[in-house]
Amino acid sequence: KAGVTQTPRYLIKTRGQQVTLSCSPISGHRSVSWYQQTPGQGLQFLFEYFSETQRNKGNFPGRFSGRQFSNSRSEMNVSTLELGDSALYLCASSLGTGWRETQYFGPGTRLLVL
Amino acid sequence: GNSVTQMEGPVTLSEEAFLTINCTYTATGYPSLFWYVQYPGEGLQLLLKATKADDKGSNKGFEATYRKETTSFHLEKGSVQVSDSAVYFCALSPNSGAGSYQLTFGKGTKLSVIP
Repeated sequence: KAGVTQTPRYLIKTRGQQVTLSCSPISGHRSVSWYQQTPGQGLQFLFEYFSETQRNKGNFPGRFSGRQFSNSRSEMNVSTLELGDSALYLCASSLGTGWRETQYFGPGTRLLVL
Repeated sequence: GNSVTQMEGPVTLSEEAFLTINCTYTATGYPSLFWYVQYPGEGLQLLLKATKADDKGSNKGFEATYRKETTSFHLEKGSVQVSDSAVYFCALSPNSGAGSYQLTFGKGTKLSVIP
């Protein structure tokens, strides 16, 4: 079974631009979560989607948004990029939602904001 | 709120040495506990998990025991290999409530194993 895939793998943007990242979960998985990884803050939860509904959201500004499609694929969008948004963005999928589920992570999209 | 504290790295060991990476947590109730590993250029892989007190998670020679009394989940391996070189993350997930599917991670511990 194919793992979680994320596209693109690398991205360079300039301040003020917006960016959209894509995540395709493991086949059959209905939950997708997003995390931001930076050297300073470590891994931080952004949001979780299940059956096209946002179930949980981390402490990030409204510039960060996401959505999930009927095939469980998910996108996250960051508007008005800032230098501090440079990070590795990780997507994780699981069969369902809830603490019993194991999250499987993709390789990440590395975003550099200049 | 919930938090995870793990030992600062980097940790450098010789092949076949014993490994311990300390992890303690703060959480309400009884969270599930996890160890994830990140190899260079890759995403996170689940290494092992424990969902209740005194549970022992194990995988690939790694072990960790959920100690409620000390709020700890230390990772151990009896004999490390060069291929174990990676960054190790301790994490928790609440077992109930609105944040029940939000993983809280420690800062990570980089392990380098030299031949």
